[in-house]
Amino acid sequence: RKEVEQDPGPFNVPEGATVAFNCTYSNSASQSFFWYRQDCRKEPKLLMSVYSSGNEDGRFTAQLNRASQYISLLIRDSKLSDSATYLCVVIGNSGYALNFGKGTSLLVTP
Amino acid sequence: GAVVSQHPSRVICKSGTSVKIECRSLDFQATTMFWYRQFPKQSLMLMATSNEGSKATYEQGVEKDKFLINHASLTLSTLTVTSAHPEDSSFYICSAGPLSAVTDTQYFGPGTRLTVL
Repeated sequence: RKEVEQDPGPFNVPEGATVAFNCTYSNSASQSFFWYRQDCRKEPKLLMSVYSSGNEDGRFTAQLNRASQYISLLIRDSKLSDSATYLCVVIGNSGYALNFGKGTSLLVTP
Repeated sequence: GAVVSQHPSRVICKSGTSVKIECRSLDFQATTMFWYRQFPKQSLMLMATSNEGSKATYEQGVEKDKFLINHASLTLSTLTVTSAHPEDSSFYICSAGPLSAVTDTQYFGPGTRLTVL
């Protein structure tokens, strides 16, 4: 079983829609969790950290469920510019070195 | 936010040549930097952990003699792909995090696209 698994999509949604991505991780001792965004042929960029209490940044909401070992990302009021691949990233119990999901592709259409 | 640079951004070389890629943290110090490789439509795969002043730690399946890593200072790590072959063509990305928080956010370089002919 891969350490971090994501639904690869693609998710095709119209502008203004709400879309949610899930990510599961296998190591229950994992310490830190992040969502990154990667545009085509570019490096990943941090979108947001994921805290146990859940956190929100504008249209983006991230949540962590340790009991079920999954992380979610909710995007409200999708914009065309949200089209990208969203990577779920987990830091394992080694304390460093990120484990990446393969990413979920999102395409927001007019 | 913190800035990590990579150089060069793109390399095209002949089979058999060696290619050096630099990763620099521009506004913070990092004792540890990470090197990743990404093939098309694949996830980022960790290749090795670069440790300042000591030997790099390589992931299983990554040849340490082929991918030489040197972390000579707290702001610079280099990855040298020795005797590159077409199958080494990939997108190489480094990341680094501030010295004081090794488990916190990593910042990624812009990546180096290597094409071996």
